[in-house]
Amino acid sequence: DTAVSQTPKYLVTQMGNDKSIKCEQNLGHDTMYWYKQDSKKFLKIMFSYNNKELIINETVPNRFSPKSPDKAHLNLHINSLELGDSAVYFCASSPTGQPGNTIYFGEGSWLTVV
Amino acid sequence: KNEVEQSPQNLTAQEGEFITINCSYSVGISALHWLQQHPGGGIVSLFMLSSGKKKHGRLIATINIQEKHSSLHITASHPRDSAVYICAVPRGAQKLVFGQGTRLTINP
Repeated sequence: DTAVSQTPKYLVTQMGNDKSIKCEQNLGHDTMYWYKQDSKKFLKIMFSYNNKELIINETVPNRFSPKSPDKAHLNLHINSLELGDSAVYFCASSPTGQPGNTIYFGEGSWLTVV
Repeated sequence: KNEVEQSPQNLTAQEGEFITINCSYSVGISALHWLQQHPGGGIVSLFMLSSGKKKHGRLIATINIQEKHSSLHITASHPRDSAVYICAVPRGAQKLVFGQGTRLTINP
């Protein structure tokens, strides 16, 4: 069983569309994250949630809306997609917040906006 | 300047060589993470360390908190070690700041 699973793995969509990426972890962790990896391969945090509560919103445009129905799920919904949203989005989880915990990543979702 | 700097950015070596990747950071931390990103894109946590040295198989990670520096070593490198290696440090309770990554290529 995959510890952190996200779907879809690949997504190609047109500008202006709304799309969602789903993430689930079966590790029993309290904390989940969304990270964005841009074309230069830099990873940056977007959001973190602890027990369904938003902890970090790293100045992400409000077109991005995370939703955590329970502590095992953290979905990312993106409205009015723009070309600059093309990136790889990684979901991750850890037992509690950093710094002392190993973090587990999903396989990534490749979003291409055309 | 990024608060986490890695060197080199790219490294190509022959199979069997000893590999060293360096990570320097600018602020005090309590722990540092080394991650591996496979060519297919998945990210795996290799080490989380707060002092001294950790070893896992052919991988060794060291950290010097006073000098704000960590190294990742690979002994007897193999083509399957080809990947991007990323160090990351916590910033606050729930945020990691990442280095730009080191792309390692091991040729047979």
